[in-house]
Amino acid sequence: DTVLTQSPALAVSPGERVTISCRASESVSTLMHWYQQKPGQQPTLLIYLASNLESGVPARFSGSGSGTDFTLTIDPVEADDTATYYCQQSWNDPRTFGGGTKLELK
Amino acid sequence: EVQLQESGPGLVKPSQSLSLTCSVTGYSITSNYWGWIRKFPGNKMEWMGYISYSGSTSYNPSLKSRISITRDTSKNQFFLQLNSVTTEDTATYYCAREYYSGSNWFAYWGQGTLVTVSS
Repeated sequence: DTVLTQSPALAVSPGERVTISCRASESVSTLMHWYQQKPGQQPTLLIYLASNLESGVPARFSGSGSGTDFTLTIDPVEADDTATYYCQQSWNDPRTFGGGTKLELK
Repeated sequence: EVQLQESGPGLVKPSQSLSLTCSVTGYSITSNYWGWIRKFPGNKMEWMGYISYSGSTSYNPSLKSRISITRDTSKNQFFLQLNSVTTEDTATYYCAREYYSGSNWFAYWGQGTLVTVSS
């Protein structure tokens, strides 16, 4: 299976720029997607196909990358962005998720 | 608006079967792909499988011998059955709809239901 590796946690101050990384164990082309999950809620789609912003998602969120290295950027970070962020690949079967990056605000 | 809602027992005994229902409103399950995803304690997430608009299925090979996904189109529901469960199957189970048929990423999710496997 394709393993997706994310940093476990990040802490930033409101107004700052934060980048959340996801590294794949093999190429996934640009078939990488990002979700936000707040405590007690279901995941919501933020970015699909590496860089496409899902409808209704603030433009503060952006995605980039291809092959094995991907980044989710939030600029500027707001207090409401406190959540766990997951990457998910759909190039290789079975589709797999990263372990999640918990974003905390200082 | 597409809405999904999981339901089923919150406690299952080891070696028994786990059965969950996903009730869908606002969209017909005879369109698109419909899947099950679970999140373990500690945050690991696993795609379990899907049932397509035509009723075809695909499963994660790690579960292939234990899992079955079926549907009732008259009730606009689809179902998960996982056999021979162990404590390792304790997780929050989500049903979800793909962005479009075969897209392999998920635009709509249910709220999730916690299933604990314990004697």
